[in-house]
Amino acid sequence: AQSVTQPDIHITVSEGASLELRCNYSYGATPYLFWYVQSPGQGLQLLLKYFSGDTLVQGIKGFEAEFKRSQSSFNLRKPSVHWSDAAEYFCAVGAGWGGGADGLTFGKGTHLIIQP
Amino acid sequence: EAGVAQSPRYKIIEKRQSVAFWCNPISGHATLYWYQQILGQGPKLLIQFQNNGVVDDSQLPKDRFSAERLKGVDSTLKIQPAKLEDSAVYLCASSPDRASYNEQFFGPGTRLTVL
Repeated sequence: AQSVTQPDIHITVSEGASLELRCNYSYGATPYLFWYVQSPGQGLQLLLKYFSGDTLVQGIKGFEAEFKRSQSSFNLRKPSVHWSDAAEYFCAVGAGWGGGADGLTFGKGTHLIIQP
Repeated sequence: EAGVAQSPRYKIIEKRQSVAFWCNPISGHATLYWYQQILGQGPKLLIQFQNNGVVDDSQLPKDRFSAERLKGVDSTLKIQPAKLEDSAVYLCASSPDRASYNEQFFGPGTRLTVL
């Protein structure tokens, strides 16, 4: 069974500073990896996804993530954060298309706080 | 394009009572998911439908939870009877079809409080 670990429960970053949120996954085959963002009272919004090809993927709102198979990681980055980036961030892994179920397995999330 | 709709947005009940949540996916989406998100945790898949058939309900507590998608469009998730530990946000998501490379679009959720 697949699993996702987000080691940081809370991260505080100053506005304008760079950001990196960590994600480690466990899955026996090629994973399908996602980052979602959840603002208070809102549903989950997809930031970016990785399936294959270039290991550096670009997403919305200036976010990017890098897939590193050797480290089983899929860390999310942003060069300069804005106050509006304060939210909960979830990394997720999907089992892929093999005719079976493809619900996502999520990490516990990282709460991002932006300091002025 | 209208997003995934869920109702009610909030529900407070006492333990041992019953409750039902409704979800209307994005038009044309064949796959529908229900997730449970307990405070401080990530969403956990409860059940996945493909049209009106169940693909995966391995994590659904079937002694008290049930779900249906009779016409392959909207869906209802029911809890009967509710327990304190069922307090959570229940998220519905839909996707054009089965396959993990398809984005899952999430609704705003229903926040359930069991007293």
